[in-house]
Amino acid sequence: DTGVSQDPRHKITKRGQNVTFRCDPISEHNRLYWYRQTLGQGPEFLTYFQNEAQLEKSRLLSDRFSAERPKGSFSTLEIQRTEQGDSAMYLCASSPLPDRKKGYTFGSGTRLTVV
Amino acid sequence: AQSVTQLDSHVSVSEGTPVLLRCNYSSSYSPSLFWYVQHPNKGLQLLLKYTSAATLVKGINGFEAEFKKSETSFHLTKPSAHMSDAAEYFCVGSGFQGAQKLVFGQGTRLTINP
Repeated sequence: DTGVSQDPRHKITKRGQNVTFRCDPISEHNRLYWYRQTLGQGPEFLTYFQNEAQLEKSRLLSDRFSAERPKGSFSTLEIQRTEQGDSAMYLCASSPLPDRKKGYTFGSGTRLTVV
Repeated sequence: AQSVTQLDSHVSVSEGTPVLLRCNYSSSYSPSLFWYVQHPNKGLQLLLKYTSAATLVKGINGFEAEFKKSETSFHLTKPSAHMSDAAEYFCVGSGFQGAQKLVFGQGTRLTINP
């Protein structure tokens, strides 16, 4: 069990560019979650997958954001036409089924800076 | 709306003294509740969890929390603070209206004075 891995750890991009982040969950975990954390705030839910199916999306996930988990293993989060307001830490978490009582394992996050 | 509220944005204690970080939840149902800790430039680490078993929950590093339904609270305590406890702490809920996602409180920054 190597934990939840996120890549890259840091990303600096110019406004208007597209960026993609990757998350590798714990291998036996069915569920995968994406959260966003801005400075001084708690993480906010973006979306989650059960295997390859995207089951819920927050209204925070505008049409510039898209997430995939094509084979039910790793997931990608893409932000198109980045804006300065997208600067944040993007966190990935995974959990087994049923997960509510087992807690969630978080990755170290990808810190995005849009300049 | 179902939510989790941390009552203090910043708590400062002296090393060796007790720690109390306060959390209240708002829900028509008993959610699962967790405390996570986040050290600078590190990921979120689970400290402890309440899942409708024992109301007094013991976690790692000497932390514990008590679920009080009558007060809708889940405060985090530690008898004696250590310098390494300095971090951001999040009270988190799950299971609001049957949803699986975690709902985070705003966080409490714990500072330990030598």
